[in-house]
Amino acid sequence: GAVVSQHPSWVICKSGTSVKIECRSLDFQATTMFWYRQFPKQSLMLMATSNEGSKATYEQGVEKDKFLINHASLTLSTLTVTSAHPEDSSFYICSAGDSVGGSYEQYFGPGTRLTVT
Amino acid sequence: GQQLNQSPQSMFIQEGEDVSMNCTSSSIFNTWLWYKQDPGEGPVLLIALYKAGELTSNGRLTAQFGITRKDSFLNISASIPSDVGIYFCAGLYNFNKFYFGSGTKLNVKP
Repeated sequence: GAVVSQHPSWVICKSGTSVKIECRSLDFQATTMFWYRQFPKQSLMLMATSNEGSKATYEQGVEKDKFLINHASLTLSTLTVTSAHPEDSSFYICSAGDSVGGSYEQYFGPGTRLTVT
Repeated sequence: GQQLNQSPQSMFIQEGEDVSMNCTSSSIFNTWLWYKQDPGEGPVLLIALYKAGELTSNGRLTAQFGITRKDSFLNISASIPSDVGIYFCAGLYNFNKFYFGSGTKLNVKP
């Protein structure tokens, strides 16, 4: 299957600082990428849809100014958590879609664990 | 977002037993995907379903896309210890967004 990478794998930052997470599709081009958030023992919650060359579409309840998304190329989307607070600590996962034989499949990155102290 | 109801929430089974889990929704989905997630890692795609009624197998795993397009199930036959993990269903809504079920935690006792 297609490969999606994330960087960094984990990050610890101080409250009030900003953190940038990268999501890359390594062997295919993705016009659309998705950002999810996952709390311990819970399911993945869709935060936003990242569209190459245009503004991201945010899910209801997700603050656009808090979670800045940039999809500058067909293989890279970034999520920046601005002015992070301890409640932003979570596992952030991106995904990208790829058409395989006319069918659409979604592949996930390995995730980034953010801890805000 | 869309609601996907996944059950059971968790299961404890003996090695060798078969397992079944399902997802239901009040909305119609265009695609159903089943994933497995190990602790601290991203979900890994197991099976993808694209047509209502479709039945697809991947080794010991079998999944079906419900006729109504509002449900799907995943079966695991002859479970082994490495099947332990959390299984998620995901539905593609309106051809542009995936939503996830709440997950089924599988425990397999050797």
